[in-house]
Amino acid sequence: KAGVTQTPRYLIKTRGQQVTLSCSPISGHRSVSWYQQTPGQGLQFLFEYFSETQRNKGNFPGRFSGRQFSNSRSEMNVSTLELGDSALYLCASSIGTGQETQYFGPGTRLLVL
Amino acid sequence: QQQVKQSPQSLIVQKGGISIINCAYENTAFDYFPWYQQFPGKGPALLIAIRPDVSEKKEGRFTISFNKSAKQFSLHIMDSQPGDSATYFCAASLLSGDKIIFGKGTRLHILP
Repeated sequence: KAGVTQTPRYLIKTRGQQVTLSCSPISGHRSVSWYQQTPGQGLQFLFEYFSETQRNKGNFPGRFSGRQFSNSRSEMNVSTLELGDSALYLCASSIGTGQETQYFGPGTRLLVL
Repeated sequence: QQQVKQSPQSLIVQKGGISIINCAYENTAFDYFPWYQQFPGKGPALLIAIRPDVSEKKEGRFTISFNKSAKQFSLHIMDSQPGDSATYFCAASLLSGDKIIFGKGTRLHILP
């Protein structure tokens, strides 16, 4: 069974631009969560989607948004990029809505110049 | 409070030694405490997890010790090997599905 895949793996953007990241969960998994990982703040929860509905949201500004499609694939969008948005963005999938056994993808490394 | 405090930030252990990483939480409602292992260039992977109804869980060389009254839990890696060199994250959440809170990570280096 293929693992969680994320595209693109690396991305360079400039301030003010917007970016869309994609995540394909493990087949059969219906829950997708997004995290931001930085050296200073560690892993921070962004949001969780289950059956195309956002179930939980972390403490991030409205510039960060996401959605989930009927095939469970998910996208995350960041608008009006800031230098501080440079981070590794991780997607994790799980079978259900609980936090037990989340499987992480390799992440998308975003650099904002 | 939603914080999970993890220490130490970095740790160097001789091969064959015991690596110990500690975490403390504040929200007594948390009922699921996983540990994740992350290698460079990879996403975190679930290593071992515990629920508060047990005080210890062991899987191979990895053991979680849980102290509910102190609101602390720790990861012990016995007979540490160079292949264990990675960043380790503790976390806490509600099994019902609330957002998961991660510690800031411990970078472990095992000397050959």
